[in-house]
Amino acid sequence: QKEVEQDPGPLSVPEGAIVSLNCTYSNSAFQYFMWYRQYSRKGPELLMYTYSSGNKEDGRFTAQVDKSSKYISLFIRDSQPSDSATYLCAMSPGTASKLTFGTGTRLQVTL
Amino acid sequence: EAGVAQSPRYKIIEKRQSVAFWCNPISGHATLYWYQQILGQGPKLLIQFQNNGVVDDSQLPKDRFSAERLKGVDSTLKIQPAKLEDSAVYLCASSYGLATDKNIQYFGAGTRLSVL
Repeated sequence: QKEVEQDPGPLSVPEGAIVSLNCTYSNSAFQYFMWYRQYSRKGPELLMYTYSSGNKEDGRFTAQVDKSSKYISLFIRDSQPSDSATYLCAMSPGTASKLTFGTGTRLQVTL
Repeated sequence: EAGVAQSPRYKIIEKRQSVAFWCNPISGHATLYWYQQILGQGPKLLIQFQNNGVVDDSQLPKDRFSAERLKGVDSTLKIQPAKLEDSAVYLCASSYGLATDKNIQYFGAGTRLSVL
């Protein structure tokens, strides 16, 4: 079993839809949770950074962490074609620890 | 602020050949990471440097992969000899350092390696 599981998609939604992306994990030591966006032929860029359980909102993006269920989510409101990318969840036990990534979910937002 | 620079962007070699990738991190970043991203998978850490010292190389196939960061700034990752399964994107990332609060990693665009 992988430490971090993520549905690879692809996920196709119409413009304006609410998108829900999810990851589950098995390592209870993970404390820091991140979502990266990766456009084709580009490196990952950090979208959201969350410590422990709870919600964090930044513009159209909301990250949720439920440590009791070992489940994290990223919600994208009013999705745009420019949101079309691969979304990677990543997590670590501490700020000095290596990141463990999910496989990434490919999102396509259509006009 | 300039980002993480990597070169070359693409490389095609035959198996058993050698190849080297170069990375220049964001100015002032003490920590440098090399990741391997195979198609359809998330990045996997190969090696992590703090200044010019190795912090974690537990997933580096040391029989064929080597990396150095001699002056604590830019870094080189080498594969010798290459195998077909080394075909992947090699990503370099950097962060301010282990002692910082968030230690956010910033990624370069990567080098796409094809081994034929």
